Amino acid sequence: DIQMTQSPSTLSASVGDRVTITCRASQNINTWLAWYQQKTGKAPTLLIYRTSSLESGVPSRFSGSGSGTEFTLTISSLQPEDFATYYCQQYESHSSFGQGTKLEMK
Amino acid sequence: VQLVASGGGSVKPGGSLRLSCVASGFTFRDYHMTWFRQAPGKGLEWISHINAGGRPQFYAESVKGRFTISRDNSKDSVFLQMDSLRLEDSAMYFCVRLVGRNLFDFWGQGTQVIVSS
Repeated sequence: DIQMTQSPSTLSASVGDRVTITCRASQNINTWLAWYQQKTGKAPTLLIYRTSSLESGVPSRFSGSGSGTEFTLTISSLQPEDFATYYCQQYESHSSFGQGTKLEMK
Repeated sequence: VQLVASGGGSVKPGGSLRLSCVASGFTFRDYHMTWFRQAPGKGLEWISHINAGGRPQFYAESVKGRFTISRDNSKDSVFLQMDSLRLEDSAMYFCVRLVGRNLFDFWGQGTQVIVSS
């Protein structure tokens, strides 16, 4: 099974900050990586698929990059509604998720 | 697109529940469907998958032999029959649409299951 590891587990930031979350795969997943956002008490929503493709309706301040085993999610200028937990998911071989990164207000 | 899950509740260990999820806003019969769960403060756990036509079905080891996924394409619905429930099955259960290669593009709002003595 492919293991996904996110860092950091918790990230404290302020509105307007540029933030980056990293996701590492235990083996090569090419670009079969997605990012999800989950706000407290809500269902996850798909943000990015195939490493860097934004789902319809996702603001352009979100971006994704990487390939192989290392990937990043970047929010260029943090907005109040972005405070949430973010999960990466590989779908190169079946599916597995990272443990999540909680983005909290500093 | 909407996925409305229901059927959760509180049950004793060893009991059963049947979750339902009604879809709207898309051609349900064209999509594979899955169930995920999330225990309080924990991450996302895939538990079951059913193909668009009803077969095949797949299960996580943690629920294999106890849970059964099914669907009724005439009613745009997917179900999860949960038997022999354990304390560790307590979680929010989400029905989720699958697209392409194991990409989960739409998640329902979830239904809460509490297993407690």
